[in-house]
Amino acid sequence: EVHLVESGGGLVQPGGSLRLSCAASGFSFSDHYMNWVRQAPGKGLEWVGRSRNRANSYITEYAASVKGRFTVSRDVSKNSLYLQMSNLKTEDTAVYYCTREMVVLEHWGQGTLVTVSS
Amino acid sequence: SSVLTQPPSVSVAPGKTASITCGGDNIRSKSVHWFQQRPGQAPVLVIEHDTDRPSGIPERFSGSKSGDTATLTISRVEAGDEADYYCQVWGTTSDHPGWVFGGGTKLTVL
Repeated sequence: EVHLVESGGGLVQPGGSLRLSCAASGFSFSDHYMNWVRQAPGKGLEWVGRSRNRANSYITEYAASVKGRFTVSRDVSKNSLYLQMSNLKTEDTAVYYCTREMVVLEHWGQGTLVTVSS
Repeated sequence: SSVLTQPPSVSVAPGKTASITCGGDNIRSKSVHWFQQRPGQAPVLVIEHDTDRPSGIPERFSGSKSGDTATLTISRVEAGDEADYYCQVWGTTSDHPGWVFGGGTKLTVL
């Protein structure tokens, strides 16, 4: 069974940094594209970025709103996906979801809350 | 603002049919996917590739597309269907790279 568990969320000041983790299990991690999607409180879903699979050299892609500030990476030996966030802004406050992509975003974790506030 | 346009809210009585639309430029040439998000929970894929139902999704959920408008239809609506629904496509323009979501529609079961 596919299982995705996010961690690392918390309170951070504007301009600060935070790293989110997503522990994956139940499937071949290196064979799948993996995405981060976020949802600000009371708002809709927003794609953040993704890591392609091994066959596509783990190439990363980002939304314009986070490009240059956020970095998606993975450690295949730990079956883990990461989101390194820097220069955080108040508008980055959201629940961050890790999702597995198999042409569509078919499996989602339960999310981790990031709050950017002074 | 989203490049995929959904009505903010739809209301329906139990047992009736709910239709949620999703419009956008050139949707006719893209695969549209639909997600259900109940309060406090992660989104769940309910329709993929315009019309396909993933395993475990009730037959009451169906998808269609006509021109640049996709529609999610929920037949014989139940109280448990009350949720936010989002459409999604893969964006291919430089302004909207990556996965693009509609603004979401709150389905209220009266």
